[in-house]
Amino acid sequence: DTEVTQTPKHLVMGMTNKKSLKCEQHMGHRAMYWYKQKAKKPPELMFVYSYEKLSINESVPSRFSPECPNSSLLNLHLHALQPEDSALYLCASSQGNRGNQPQHFGDGTRLSIL
Amino acid sequence: AQSVSQHNHHVILSEAASLELGCNYSYGGTVNLFWYVQYPGQHLQLLLKYFSGDPLVKGIKGFEAEFIKSKFSFNLRKPSVQWSDTAEYFCALILPTGGGNKLTFGTGTQLKVEL
Repeated sequence: DTEVTQTPKHLVMGMTNKKSLKCEQHMGHRAMYWYKQKAKKPPELMFVYSYEKLSINESVPSRFSPECPNSSLLNLHLHALQPEDSALYLCASSQGNRGNQPQHFGDGTRLSIL
Repeated sequence: AQSVSQHNHHVILSEAASLELGCNYSYGGTVNLFWYVQYPGQHLQLLLKYFSGDPLVKGIKGFEAEFIKSKFSFNLRKPSVQWSDTAEYFCALILPTGGGNKLTFGTGTQLKVEL
């Protein structure tokens, strides 16, 4: 089992809905990440939070809004998504923001946009 | 920009066969290299990592990888695969620069091990 917990596991929403994805870790990690993974493709980085501050935004559309309320929690707020946003959304964490600190992944939230 | 290439997109092996999955990267300086595995329906798991030192690194589940700087390669090996090794394998790298926790994945290799 992974030590990074993501909820919900599955989410179906309409294009006008507002929903949030949640991620939690209790390993004392200070960097957290959101990735998007389409079927049969590698994960693509969306956002990085380092010490609760947004450090990387990979030009993600504003309909995706990340939030890091504290060092253990990471949210991804969704609004007015498009069908092409259907994907597996992965959360990860690492000890810090150094490149030699491996990232630990959650099981993901499978998102379907109707 | 750095990139990671995995040339084998699909590999099919019989149990007990030896495995080698290729990974090449394009960056002239120091890199941090990783292999992750994604079993069907499960989360990405770290198999092994290389930062510096001995270029032959050993990971979990009997996997190992060799860093060859002159070839910009970090190939994954296992002497004898099992049916349970059926999974998607991703090579990935991070550059040791400021804010250097941007993990870039290769396209992945789907491994199927047949009984």
